[in-house]
Amino acid sequence: DAGITQSPRHKVTETGTPVTLRCHQTENHRYMYWYRQDPGHGLRLIHYSYGVKDTDKGEVSDGYSVSRSKTEDFLLTLESATSSQTSVYFCAISELSREQYFGPGTRLTVT
Amino acid sequence: GNSVTQMEGPVTLSEEAFLTINCTYTATGYPSLFWYVQYPGEGLQLLLKATKADDKGSNKGFEATYRKETTSFHLEKGSVQVSDSAVYFCALSHNNNAGNMLTFGGGTRLMVKP
Repeated sequence: DAGITQSPRHKVTETGTPVTLRCHQTENHRYMYWYRQDPGHGLRLIHYSYGVKDTDKGEVSDGYSVSRSKTEDFLLTLESATSSQTSVYFCAISELSREQYFGPGTRLTVT
Repeated sequence: GNSVTQMEGPVTLSEEAFLTINCTYTATGYPSLFWYVQYPGEGLQLLLKATKADDKGSNKGFEATYRKETTSFHLEKGSVQVSDSAVYFCALSHNNNAGNMLTFGGGTRLMVKP
C-alpha cells in the first residue's frame, strides 16, 4: 500500500469554525490531490498540487484553501466551515502518467 | 468537458452470479480508463486500468475492455463472492500539469448475498 495517511480520521465541528485536514505521504510523489465524496456525486476534486508551493483549483474549490510547504504534506483548510462541507475527504497522490493512490479518508461533520 | 456515467445501484447479486457494471464516458483525446473499488470504511483502491483502445484490464477475476467505438469500459466478473461487496467507481484520466487528473462516475454499490 502507498504510504498515505490523513489526520484526523474523524472530526465534528461547528458552523463558522476553521478546520484543517492534513495529508501526509512517504512516497515522495510530486502530485497531491484533495477530493470530497458525497452520495451520488462520486469523488470531486477540490484542489491539487503539482509541486511544493504549486497548487491550483479543482471543480469544487469554493470555501477551501490548500498549502504545500514540503513534498510530503498537503493541507486542506476550511476557513469557516458550513454544513454543506459535511463530507468525506480523500487525499490522493500520483506521479505523472501513473494512477492515483488514495488515503483512508477523513469524515468531517459540520453541525 | 470530460464526464463518466455509470449505472446506478445498488446492484444485488447472489454469490457466484455474473456481474456487469456499465460505464460510458465522454472525453476529448485518448484518456486512460480506470476502475476503483471502495470497501466499507476505506479509501479507494485501484482495481484495474486500460490505457488505449482495445486494451483489457484485469485483476482479481474482474475485467474491463476499453471500447473506443462505444466509449465504454464495462466492468465484468464471472462469479462474484460476498467479499466483492463494495462500491465501484469508473474513472478517466488525462494528463496535464496536474499529473493524472481523474474524472469519476457516481459509483455503483454492489451487494453480494450468500
